[in-house]
Amino acid sequence: AQSVSQHNHHVILSEAASLELGCNYSYGGTVNLFWYVQYPGQHLQLLLKYFSGDPLVKGIKGFEAEFIKSKFSFNLRKPSVQWSDTAEYFCAVNTGTASKLTFGTGTRLQVTL
Amino acid sequence: AAGVIQSPRHLIKEKRETATLKCYPIPRHDTVYWYQQGPGQDPQFLISFYEKMQSDKGSIPDRFSAQQFSDYHSELNMSSLELGDSALYFCASSGGLAGGSGRNEQFFGPGTRLTVL
Repeated sequence: AQSVSQHNHHVILSEAASLELGCNYSYGGTVNLFWYVQYPGQHLQLLLKYFSGDPLVKGIKGFEAEFIKSKFSFNLRKPSVQWSDTAEYFCAVNTGTASKLTFGTGTRLQVTL
Repeated sequence: AAGVIQSPRHLIKEKRETATLKCYPIPRHDTVYWYQQGPGQDPQFLISFYEKMQSDKGSIPDRFSAQQFSDYHSELNMSSLELGDSALYFCASSGGLAGGSGRNEQFFGPGTRLTVL
């Protein structure tokens, strides 16, 4: 079974700082990778996804992520965070077409003014 | 664009009562997934349906059951509710052309917040 690790549980950044959130997965086969964001009291929204092809994927709101197969990683980055990026960020994987998502434990990002 | 609809949005029940949560997928999506997110936790997969048949099962208690109907909406039935069932229950849907990458991406509904007293 696949598993996902997010090593940063709580990150506090000042506005305009750069962001990188780590995500590692364990699974020996082909995976689909996702980053979701959950604003306080709201549902999960897809930031970006990787299925195949260019390992550097760009998502909404200026976020990007890089899939490094050799490291089983899919780290999320943003060059300059905004106060409105304060939210919980979940990395997730699934391993086939229309298969369940396995989520990491989430990273709570707090951006201060 | 139409999104996943869940009802009710909030539900308060007493211990040992039953609850039914409903999910209406995005039109033309044929796969529905249910997830449970406890306070401060990550979403945990419960069960999924494809074309009205159960396609996968996760950590769903025996007290819970679910089904997908002919119009593709799904209902999660929860009986003998316990305090620990208090959580946010998300439904997600996916679909698209057969074999297309659309099946890999799940769109989430707003969730039903269940509180068991």
